Amino acid sequence: LAKTTQPISMDSYEGQEVNITCSHNNIATNDYITWYQQFPSQGPRFIIQGYKTKVTNEVASLFIPADRKSSTLSLPRVSLSDTAVYYCLVGDTGFQKLVFGTGTRLLVSP
Amino acid sequence: GAVVSQHPSWVICKSGTSVKIECRSLDFQATTMFWYRQFPKQSLMLMATSNEGSKATYEQGVEKDKFLINHASLTLSTLTVTSAHPEDSSFYICSARIRGQETQYFGPGTRLLVL
Repeated sequence: LAKTTQPISMDSYEGQEVNITCSHNNIATNDYITWYQQFPSQGPRFIIQGYKTKVTNEVASLFIPADRKSSTLSLPRVSLSDTAVYYCLVGDTGFQKLVFGTGTRLLVSP
Repeated sequence: GAVVSQHPSWVICKSGTSVKIECRSLDFQATTMFWYRQFPKQSLMLMATSNEGSKATYEQGVEKDKFLINHASLTLSTLTVTSAHPEDSSFYICSARIRGQETQYFGPGTRLLVL
């Protein structure tokens, strides 16, 4: 399983766009990139998943460059409720297990 | 859709007793379920992978005789912490994978406190 590296923490203010970058230099051809959000004392919540280029849903966008060695989760106009830990994970289409890294602790202030 | 529940949400028990935690996929069939443990301010650590109808696969360092996992149906997996000790106090989270899909959906977690 490809190892991922993320910033340990980020700070932002309400209404700003937040971009969290994840490095995965050893990503394999069949690997997908998945982001999860976790609030304290709750299970992780699926945010978005992608393979290449750009993926967008109602919550976030995921940007993946051509070499796929990194990815960026973009949260538009964050609110206080977006304060959470965000995990980037990499695995192939049939991967059986997820290996969580340290995640990025995002703090959104008024 | 893709809702996973856990029961109980929290439990307090005495040292030496056993505790069972249930994980259910409410609106889908989960061929594979996973059990994680998370200590305060740390990331999730995978404990075991559970496939319906077969024995669970445990991660290195996880005692299979202490953490009994049963995946008896496509919607239910259970984790039993046997002879619990204070160091087993943690947040236990399960996840389920829909047949044919890559995404895992997580339960809300169970907080275990062993006194």
